[in-house]
Amino acid sequence: GNSVTQMEGPVTLSEEAFLTINCTYTATGYPSLFWYVQYPGEGLQLLLKATKADDKGSNKGFEATYRKETTSFHLEKGSVQVSDSAVYFCALRPSGSARQLTFGSGTQLTVLP
Amino acid sequence: NAGVMQNPRHLVRRRGQEARLRCSPMKGHSHVYWYRQLPEEGLKFMVYLQKENIIDESGMPKERFSAEFPKEGPSILRIQQVVRGDSAAYFCASLTSQRGGNTEAFFGQGTRLTVV
Repeated sequence: GNSVTQMEGPVTLSEEAFLTINCTYTATGYPSLFWYVQYPGEGLQLLLKATKADDKGSNKGFEATYRKETTSFHLEKGSVQVSDSAVYFCALRPSGSARQLTFGSGTQLTVLP
Repeated sequence: NAGVMQNPRHLVRRRGQEARLRCSPMKGHSHVYWYRQLPEEGLKFMVYLQKENIIDESGMPKERFSAEFPKEGPSILRIQQVVRGDSAAYFCASLTSQRGGNTEAFFGQGTRLTVV
């Protein structure tokens, strides 16, 4: 079956530090890959996505590249801000399907001023 | 276009009572998913519904839990005879009817159920 393994948190960084949150997946075929962000007390918001190998998703300074050879979709940001403090979820959906997302366990990020 | 609307945002129930959680998908969306998030954990899939049909309920507990998405009105997740272990945040997501894995799922703000 499909699964997503995410770097365990919590992660604490100082403002302007470089961020990497690792994500690897197991799936048949070529799933679509997503990063969602959850701010305290809120639902999930789509941060970025990639639908095929070597695609790079980007939004708000965050980036992730779909690596088929390593089955990875690591999230990166060059300079984090306090407002980036949230929980980040990596997820996949089987290709060509409206089936449900499979989520990783989430990584809590705290950015200190 | 309003987003996915869930209500109530917070729900407190005593053990043995029933909990009814509502989800109105985005306009034009005919696919609804329910997820449960336990404290300090990720989201676990529960059920996937289209209008008047349950497509996949492999994540639903076999007893006490049911879900529906009628032709008219919101999707309902119903938990009968709640126990403390049901305390969690329940999220609804909706999707358009378009097939394709790259279609974005929109999430509601969740219902936080507390069983006392």
